[in-house]
Amino acid sequence: DQQVKQNSPSLSVQEGRISILNCDYTNSMFDYFLWYKKYPAEGPTFLISISSIKDKNEDGRFTVFLNKSAKHLSLHIVPSQPGDSAVYFCAASAGGSNYKLTFGKGTLLTVNP
Amino acid sequence: EAQVTQNPRYLITVTGKKLTVTCSQNMNHEYMSWYRQDPGLGLRQIYYSMNVEVTDKGDVPEGYKVSRKEKRNFPLILESPSPNQTSLYFCASSLSARTDTQYFGPGTRLTVL
Repeated sequence: DQQVKQNSPSLSVQEGRISILNCDYTNSMFDYFLWYKKYPAEGPTFLISISSIKDKNEDGRFTVFLNKSAKHLSLHIVPSQPGDSAVYFCAASAGGSNYKLTFGKGTLLTVNP
Repeated sequence: EAQVTQNPRYLITVTGKKLTVTCSQNMNHEYMSWYRQDPGLGLRQIYYSMNVEVTDKGDVPEGYKVSRKEKRNFPLILESPSPNQTSLYFCASSLSARTDTQYFGPGTRLTVL
């Protein structure tokens, strides 16, 4: 039962354009969402997060949007740069005493010069 | 330098031979966690620890043990490794479980023959 879904295994965009990575979730108890970026041969690094009390969070070129009714979030990267090429993981955690973090399968973003 | 370290980085072993992968963090973080990354499956949480002597199962705990005797260390133990535990393993830590971002180690690539 995959609770966090990233349905696009890969995405290719041109440098300078917008990259939009999508993530859907099924567990209505999730209330905190994160995006991680992973380069080959390295551990994932935190990118941006959003709490369910918000519908948008912005940090420089990165913006995460949350649509709770649709159980959908997206990561926008504007403008995209070749150094953004990596695997992006969406992750979620539930409230209360549940401290597990559930990840999606990841989306490989390639930004072409 | 704030970091999460894992050892060994690469390990090839045989079925049934007990092994331990060490994880250490120097950030005085309370929360630590182990993940495995497999092709097409993304990152899956194995075990996590809220604090010293407090551990709990993640999504895929079977075949693994952990201990948290000191705040900085969180070793992953495979008592009797099997080929299906061949994977890329990541240790992570954060100040707290919920809203703080997790810092990941560089990964341990394990092959069980």
